[in-house]
Amino acid sequence: DAGVTQSPTHLIKTRGQQVTLRCSPISGHKSVSWYQQVLGQGPQFIFQYYEKEERGRGNFPDRFSARQFPNYSSELNVNALLLGDSALYLCASSFEAVREQYFGPGTRLTVT
Amino acid sequence: GIQVEQSPPDLILQEGANSTLRCNFSDSVNNLQWFHQNPWGQLINLFYIPSGTKQNGRLSATTVATERYSLLYISSSQTTDSGVYFCAVYSGGGADGLTFGKGTHLIIQP
Repeated sequence: DAGVTQSPTHLIKTRGQQVTLRCSPISGHKSVSWYQQVLGQGPQFIFQYYEKEERGRGNFPDRFSARQFPNYSSELNVNALLLGDSALYLCASSFEAVREQYFGPGTRLTVT
Repeated sequence: GIQVEQSPPDLILQEGANSTLRCNFSDSVNNLQWFHQNPWGQLINLFYIPSGTKQNGRLSATTVATERYSLLYISSSQTTDSGVYFCAVYSGGGADGLTFGKGTHLIIQP
């Protein structure tokens, strides 16, 4: 079975630009969560979606938004990029919101 | 919010040695997971263990939920065990994601 997939793998953007990251969950999983990991730290929770509705939001500015589609895939959008948004963005899926989470390989975003 | 502390932050061992990694958390949890992050950033699931003891080959984990800690044991370490080990917890309510500790950076020398 395919695991969680994310695209693109790497991305370079300029300050002020907008970016969209994509995630496809494990087949049968209905919950998708997004995390940001900066160098040397553990991942930080951004959003959780379950059955296409936002279930939780971490301490991130409104420049960050997300959505989940009918097929349970998800997109993370970041507007007005800052240098500090440079990080590894991880997507995780689970069957239900509180169950074991499985992570994708991540998208490495560099903002210059 | 819930706090997660991992110790030690760094650990250097010789191949074949055994190690114990600790995770303390500040509140009751509905979910606790241990991950190994490889050099490419992929988080690999090791254990889903909100309570009790589990074993998988050379690795085992124990969570004592009433005392708010979990331990990850690695026996007969191999160089491929090197990397960062994260403990992550889910405190419940459905409104939060996993809260991660800062990790233990493990280096296994040949």
